Order: sequence, then structure tokens, then C-alpha cells
Amino acid sequence: NAGVTQTPKFRVLKTGQSMTLLCAQDMNHEYMYWYRQDPGMGLRLIHYSVGEGTTAKGEVPDGYNVSRLKKQNFLLGLESAAPSQTSVYFCASSPSTSSWPQHFGDGTRLSIL
Amino acid sequence: GQNIDQPTEMTATEGAIVQINCTYQTSGFNGLFWYQQHAGEAPTFLSYNVLDGLEEKGRFSSFLSRSKGYSYLLLKELQMKDSASYLCAVRDSNYQLIWGAGTKLIIKP
Repeated sequence: NAGVTQTPKFRVLKTGQSMTLLCAQDMNHEYMYWYRQDPGMGLRLIHYSVGEGTTAKGEVPDGYNVSRLKKQNFLLGLESAAPSQTSVYFCASSPSTSSWPQHFGDGTRLSIL
Repeated sequence: GQNIDQPTEMTATEGAIVQINCTYQTSGFNGLFWYQQHAGEAPTFLSYNVLDGLEEKGRFSSFLSRSKGYSYLLLKELQMKDSASYLCAVRDSNYQLIWGAGTKLIIKP
């Protein structure tokens, strides 16, 4: 039972570098989400997708881009990394937005120097 | 603005009962979730409330009062493995989850 898989698990970047975080789910879920988690704060939604080929902005989208070319994959890109983007990034998926809970990946710990 | 409030940290004794409170002010309400998150791990789903009242699931129960904007998570017969952060999240009128900062629960022998 893979569930939601995130790669990589850890990464250190220099300011200005770009990278892509990959999220893959094998539960055939329609909805996928990218969050960041910072100390003392709740999870904050970066972008989300309600289905293949669709994406939408969340609470804190600036500096990030996403793509959902395949239903099972949701990619998060950092165009030009900044120290403020140092965080733990979580991907989640759910069948819909009703009572179904979101299932989370193990997270990607990203440090921007 | 939207706001979810939880205590930052709580301490309890193994075998005891602890209640973690969550108050919320959101634009609309479409359900409240509780998640457990062990240090360095992913959040995992514990419970869901959309109607007023108590939902019981083994050692864990969750209560909701929509008129008061209030929920609590009750953990009974505490075990050392219950040491974790407990996250409260409310689904707002746009069906997005608004998350509290979490309550770190420390269990002492």
C-alpha cells in the first residue's frame, strides 16, 4: 500500500536555484494538494488540483508552480528558490472535498541557503 | 479572517484522559477534522465531525458544537505512543481545509 509518495525526502538548495517536487498517489483520487508546514503555524495550502489537467491557487501560491498532467501525479515547482521557502512540504490527496479525509505523503524537507 | 485556535502544548500521564480543545472562526463550515502527527511524520486522519455531538472511535472521541465554534478531541487510557501533535482542521465555505497550528501532547510515565 504505497498511498501517497513524495520525492525527494530531503533537499538542500542555494538561493536562486530551481527544483521540482514530485507527488504520486495510487488511490485513484481526484483531488490533490500541496501544503507547507512551518514551526508554530498550521499547514498552509500552496496549490491544489480537482482533477487531471486542472490546478488552482491556495493560500500561499507565490513563488510556486504546479502541474497535473496525469491523474496520479502532482508536481510542485520552485522557480527561483528563496530562504523563505525553507519548509516541510506535504502532498495530500482525497477522493473529493466532502467528508473524505485527505491522505498525506511523508513530506519533503527543503532547506534554502 | 479565518482562525483556528488550539493550545500549543499539553502534558498528561500514561493511563489518564486528556481533552484537547479547538475553537474556530471560519467563513462557513463544512466539517471538522482531527489529525495526529508524530514528529517528523505525515499527519494521519483521526476523526471527522459535521453534526453537533460526540463521535467515538475506540480510545479517541471527538465532539463538535457548531453554534459555539468549538470542538474537542478526547483521548482515553493514554499510551506513550500517543505522544504526538494533534491538528484541528475546518473545511470552510470553499471546501478548503483551514488548519490550526497543532497541540503537542507529551505523555509522561
